[in-house]
Parts: sequence; structure tokens; C-alpha cells
Amino acid sequence: ETGVTQSPTHLIKTRGQQVTLRCSSQSGHNTVSWYQQALGQGPQFIFQYYREEENGRGNFPPRFSGLQFPNYSSELNVNALELDDSALYLCASSLDGAGGYTFGSGTRLTVV
Amino acid sequence: ELKVEQNPLFLSMQEGKNYTIYCNYSTTSDRLYWYRQDPGKSLESLFVLLSNGAVKQEGRLMASLDTKARLSTLHITAAVHDLSATYFCAVDIDYKLSFGAGTTVTVRA
Repeated sequence: ETGVTQSPTHLIKTRGQQVTLRCSSQSGHNTVSWYQQALGQGPQFIFQYYREEENGRGNFPPRFSGLQFPNYSSELNVNALELDDSALYLCASSLDGAGGYTFGSGTRLTVV
Repeated sequence: ELKVEQNPLFLSMQEGKNYTIYCNYSTTSDRLYWYRQDPGKSLESLFVLLSNGAVKQEGRLMASLDTKARLSTLHITAAVHDLSATYFCAVDIDYKLSFGAGTTVTVRA
């Protein structure tokens, strides 16, 4: 059974650019949630995808968008990057969104 | 808006002594999680508490949940250096997690 894998592990982007982060869910899991963790803070919920549909969104602007694919992997896209977008981005997968979350190792995004 | 408050935010522990981290939350929920995070790493699941009165123990860590008081505690018994990390509680509302700010634990000899 494979866990949650995220890519890339580290990324440096320039303000105003766009970025795509990827997450492969744990085998058997059909729900993926994305979280943003700024330095020294707790993770903040961005959104959740369940069976390829967005299933809830946190307090993030529309330039944060996502996708879930038929194999339940997911992408997080951020447009018009701002310095404050620098953070660790975590994805977590679960079955039917019903708890039992497994977190990936995260993508460290630095915006300069 | 759900608020999740942890205290203390920083905890300097002496090896061999006992300590407690508190997690208060503002909205009814009967699902609460505790995670550990080492510097630069992801979240490691410690406990899942799914009902009022739930108590889970693993090694030197014990977590409990009082849904009526909207309070969870993480008790550390006889602290050892390996427990140095940041600990987060997270409340599950509609299968979305709201995290506390974290408690950074340092264990000294």
C-alpha cells in the first residue's frame, strides 16, 4: 500500500508567476484535501476534492484552484503568486472524506 | 467561525517530568486529531479521538476528548528528548480539519 506522494518537494517561483503542485492519494482513497502551512503556523484548509468535484473550500482567493483526476490524484494551482504564498503545501487523502487522513510530505514553495 | 486554541504555544520540558497540552475549540465536534511535526517535515498522526470520553495512549503520550467541554488534552509522561517537536490538535468539521497554532515542545536534560 503506497502512501500519499507530493511533487515537487521544493519550488522557487517569482512573484506573479503561476505554479502547479501535485498529489497522488493513498491507494483506495478517493478524497484529497489541500492545506497551506505558513512558517510557524498551523495548516489552513484550502479545499477538498471528492470524486473529482470540489467539496468545500476554505478562506482562499479564487487564484487558488484545483483538480482531481479519475485516478483520484490531484493538483493545486496558484496563479499570480504573491510573497505571502510562500509556505508548505500539504495534501491529505482519505476514503469518502470520512477521517483517517494520510498526509503527504509536502511541497515547500518559496515566492521571491 | 471555528476557533481552535492550543496552550501553551511553547513548552520547555525537563526530562522525566509530566506535562499537559490543552486544545480548546469553539464549535461542537466529536472528531479530533493530534499530530506531531518535526522541523521541515510533514504531519505524523498520533491519535484519532472519535467520541466523548475517548482516551488513547501510545507510549508516553495519552490523549483524551471531552466534547461537552470542547476540550482535548495531550498528556506527556516522563518526557524524553525524542518528544521534542511541534504538536497540533485538529478539529474535524464536515471532514475538513481546523488546526490549532501548535505547541512547540523542547525537552531539556
